Amino acid sequence: RKEVEQDPGPFNVPEGATVAFNCTYSNSASQSFFWYRQDCRKEPKLLMSVYSSGNEDGRFTAQLNRASQYISLLIRDSKLSDSATYLCVVNTNTGFQKLVFGTGTRLLVSP
Amino acid sequence: GAGVSQSPSNKVTEKGKDVELRCDPISGHTALYWYRQSLGQGLEFLIYFQGNSAPDKSGLPSDRFSAERTGGSVSTLTIQRTQQEDSAVYLCASSLGPGLMDTQYFGPGTRLTVL
Repeated sequence: RKEVEQDPGPFNVPEGATVAFNCTYSNSASQSFFWYRQDCRKEPKLLMSVYSSGNEDGRFTAQLNRASQYISLLIRDSKLSDSATYLCVVNTNTGFQKLVFGTGTRLLVSP
Repeated sequence: GAGVSQSPSNKVTEKGKDVELRCDPISGHTALYWYRQSLGQGLEFLIYFQGNSAPDKSGLPSDRFSAERTGGSVSTLTIQRTQQEDSAVYLCASSLGPGLMDTQYFGPGTRLTVL
């Protein structure tokens, strides 16, 4: 079983749609959680950290359920520029950020 | 300011040759990480540097892989006797410190192809 599992997609949605991605992780001792965005043939970039209480950044909302070991990302009012691969990322270490990446969920937003 | 830079951006080599990949982290960042991304796979942790020391090199796939960091800045990842399965994008990241919420900033990667 992979440490971080995501639906690879692709999710095809029209502009303006709301889309949700889910992710599960296997290590219950995981310390911190993130969503990264990766455009085609580019480096990953941090989209947002995920906090236990849930957090929002503009059109993006992230939630964490430690009991179920489940992380989600909700994107509202999708834009064409949101088309990318979204990586669920978990830090399994206490001493430093030893990041474990999911393989990503691909989102395609069409006009 | 300048981000993380890596060189070369692309490297094609023959099986059995040695290669060196370079990473220049963001100035002042003490933590540096190497990852590998193979086709269809998630990013895979290779090694972590804090300053010039590597407290965790558990992700290096074999003893053909080694890395060093000098002056608390530039890092070099060396792969000896390359194999076809080493073909991947090698990504370097740096963060201000090793804190659990310190953002890791990634470089553009080196795409390695072993023929």
